[in-house]
Amino acid sequence: QKEVEQNSGPLSVPEGAIASLNCTYSDRVSQSFFWYRQYSGKSPELIMSIYSNGDKEDGRFTAQLNKASQYVSLLIRDSQPSDSATYLCAVSVTGNQFYFGTGTSLTVIP
Amino acid sequence: NAGVTQTPKFQVLKTGQSMTLQCAQDMNHNSMYWYRQDPGMGLRLIYYSASEGTTDKGEVPNGYNVSRLNKREFSLRLESAAPSQTSVYFCASINGGPSTDTQYFGPGTRLTVL
Repeated sequence: QKEVEQNSGPLSVPEGAIASLNCTYSDRVSQSFFWYRQYSGKSPELIMSIYSNGDKEDGRFTAQLNKASQYVSLLIRDSQPSDSATYLCAVSVTGNQFYFGTGTSLTVIP
Repeated sequence: NAGVTQTPKFQVLKTGQSMTLQCAQDMNHNSMYWYRQDPGMGLRLIYYSASEGTTDKGEVPNGYNVSRLNKREFSLRLESAAPSQTSVYFCASINGGPSTDTQYFGPGTRLTVL
């Protein structure tokens, strides 16, 4: 059983602040790591993928991966009310199967 | 491109009824997936198809069957629906390959089994 753990939240941050979302995974041979955003009643959409240790930045989003600690995080800078959603962490070992966490609910307060 | 499409969007079944959820993608992707999403449970993989003509079980395959009809289409069948299968079902596809495994999701089918 491959496990992906996330704090379910809810996480509330004021507009303009940094939101920090965390994820741990159990399988040491995991190769690929993803963050999806899911608005209520909608399907997940990919916002970040990361494959090697370190940081990866894309606009206001930064993904951080530490394979030794089996930890991946997502930072959202200058948080906006439109960032309010559930964020799903996903992990892939083989590139064929993907394992998702239960998601962290984020609310950005204007 | 329409991306990944799913039909129907909503469905209500009675216990014991059967139905097929349809999924199609127009991105020429090799791999396709069926997930279910329940409150507090995240997305769980039911079945996947790594390529046309192949299918494999995921985490929660019991009570479901799948058909990879061609490269575009991947259907999910419930032979005898049970209330425990009330869920939101998502189809997804990827092109696959190292560092290119971005999944694209369909809009979902909201299924209620009474």
